[in-house]
Amino acid sequence: GAGVSQSPSNKVTEKGKDVELRCDPISGHTALYWYRQSLGQGLEFLIYFQGNSAPDKSGLPSDRFSAERTGGSVSTLTIQRTQQEDSAVYLCASSLGLAGSLYTQYFGPGTRLTVL
Amino acid sequence: ILNVEQSPQSLHVQEGDSTNFTCSFPSSNFYALHWYRWETAKSPEALFVMTLNGDEKKKGRISATLNTKEGYSYLYIKGSQPEDSATYLCAASPAAGNKLTFGGGTRVLVKP
Repeated sequence: GAGVSQSPSNKVTEKGKDVELRCDPISGHTALYWYRQSLGQGLEFLIYFQGNSAPDKSGLPSDRFSAERTGGSVSTLTIQRTQQEDSAVYLCASSLGLAGSLYTQYFGPGTRLTVL
Repeated sequence: ILNVEQSPQSLHVQEGDSTNFTCSFPSSNFYALHWYRWETAKSPEALFVMTLNGDEKKKGRISATLNTKEGYSYLYIKGSQPEDSATYLCAASPAAGNKLTFGGGTRVLVKP
């Protein structure tokens, strides 16, 4: 079946602009995660959604970052007033459920964001 | 939040040689350990999920072990091939919740 998809694959923007990154999880997966990898860094957790529960936003680096998940499926990560340090690969992942972390997370191909 | 570390950061392996590398994590408040392989321009691919002390998993020429008492996992590649070249990520989660903390990865380059 279809895997996790993300769009756009690449985004170049100017400092101060807002950007939206989209994630389509695997159908039936109730958990959705956003991560980012900055140059030379490991994968950094940003936020996750599980069903109708309140999202865990503990990894969002600043209030310029927000995310929503509509209808328990598609998610959008929004970065307002982008800064150069926001340049990174943003990865989305989905999994079957939250109950403990034994569920494999399936990753999308990522969006490479470059802020000039 | 767990502190997950991987070593080495990178290694070069001659084709046909075997290799291994380490993921370490706090042994307290541990629940599960994941290994992923991330090839350039592709999505990270899940390799293994382990939770019990002494777990061993195998997938083709790749295998992993888990020691939860001392807080480490080894990933082994037997008879390395150029297609094994990738960054190998480990991630751990604490007892509560489903949030994974990733290590910095080990970048493996297999030279023909």
